[in-house]
Amino acid sequence: NAGVTQTPKFQVLKTGQSMTLQCAQDMNHNSMYWYRQDPGMGLRLIYYSASEGTTDKGEVPNGYNVSRLNKREFSLRLESAAPSQTSVYFCASSESLAGASTTDTQYFGPGTRLTVL
Amino acid sequence: SQQGEEDPQALSIQEGENATMNCSYKTSINNLQWYRQNSGRGLVHLILIRSNEREKHSGRLRVTLDTSKKSSSLLITASRAADTASYFCATGNQFYFGTGTSLTVIP
Repeated sequence: NAGVTQTPKFQVLKTGQSMTLQCAQDMNHNSMYWYRQDPGMGLRLIYYSASEGTTDKGEVPNGYNVSRLNKREFSLRLESAAPSQTSVYFCASSESLAGASTTDTQYFGPGTRLTVL
Repeated sequence: SQQGEEDPQALSIQEGENATMNCSYKTSINNLQWYRQNSGRGLVHLILIRSNEREKHSGRLRVTLDTSKKSSSLLITASRAADTASYFCATGNQFYFGTGTSLTVIP
């Protein structure tokens, strides 16, 4: 079991370029998430997918789009990269979204370190 | 928001000492989880405690939960250099992770 995998590990973009971050999980999880982590800011949720075929905005969705391609894969796209999107991006998955008062254990990928010049 | 906030922000101890970090949250919960993040890596789940539990152990980890005070603590006993990491608590719908407690264990 590879768990949650992300590609690429590192990426440098110029302002205005586009790219897609890939994420895949092999744990048959229903829910998947994209976070960004900036120094001193903790993790912030960009988008999530409660189940295959659904996606919802998180705390900081502007400038991003997502696709839940199938149960295994959840991609994050930057259409026109900006320096403010320089960050480390983490994908995560869990069995389910669970309820508002109940957490479901999330499993994280190793991250993608993105720099936008 | 059921956001959990960790305290202190940073903690530095000698190897062999115990490390305690705290988490406060705002609304009622069914469970609370602690995660660890090594530098540059993804978060790793450590332990889950349910609202009807007051204390839980896992190896050198001890977690307590006080639902009346809406707080939890994570104790790492006999710390090792390899415990150097950031520690996060997660509550509720778990979309929110605070800035964590950065623990440094000095050999």
